[in-house]
Amino acid sequence: QQPVQSPQAVILREGEDAVINCSSSKALYSVHWYRQKHGEAPVFLMILLKGGEQKGHDKISASFNEKKQQSSLYLTASQLSYSGTYFCGTGRLAGNMLTFGGGTRLMVKP
Amino acid sequence: EAGVAQSPRYKIIEKRQSVAFWCNPISGHATLYWYQQILGQGPKLLIQFQNNGVVDDSQLPKDRFSAERLKGVDSTLKIQPAKLEDSAVYLCASSSRLLGPTQYFGPGTRLTVL
Repeated sequence: QQPVQSPQAVILREGEDAVINCSSSKALYSVHWYRQKHGEAPVFLMILLKGGEQKGHDKISASFNEKKQQSSLYLTASQLSYSGTYFCGTGRLAGNMLTFGGGTRLMVKP
Repeated sequence: EAGVAQSPRYKIIEKRQSVAFWCNPISGHATLYWYQQILGQGPKLLIQFQNNGVVDDSQLPKDRFSAERLKGVDSTLKIQPAKLEDSAVYLCASSSRLLGPTQYFGPGTRLTVL
């Protein structure tokens, strides 16, 4: 079953923060976050494994709430380069088969 | 390190015609995935290979889609015959168990069925 992402779209000014949520009705083993720019391949951002850990690099971080089967992606002090569509991919088994959400379109304006 | 290669990048065909897409994964990656991404949606897994064996093809429309990875490296995805609703970007990704579960995507093939 496809995970649900929210919001569907968000517009920010440079320097503002954003949170993108990914929720599943099924127990999860992993959550993978990708960013895709128009006409390009999805680019890997980070992965969170069962265990409720939080990861991050630079100004992008994410958390995984195992009890709620939810992951959140945090974008702080957004830059123009953050614009794109963010997808979460959820894995239920260690076999690495992912089900992707519908995406969140993020636009950062100067 | 070279990324995942795919060809062609674009293809336009008429309905009921056949089409094939090619993917060359990152060197050493034993796991290969084919995804279908319809405009405005997230990627949908069609088939997953581990070396030259199929791990999962439960979402592959087997009456018209087929895929193979004969030597455990390159892979081909075929559609025969194509329907209008097959218009999408077909993405190939690969991963290595030794390096972790991260999937690396190729640039995709944009298929338009007229």
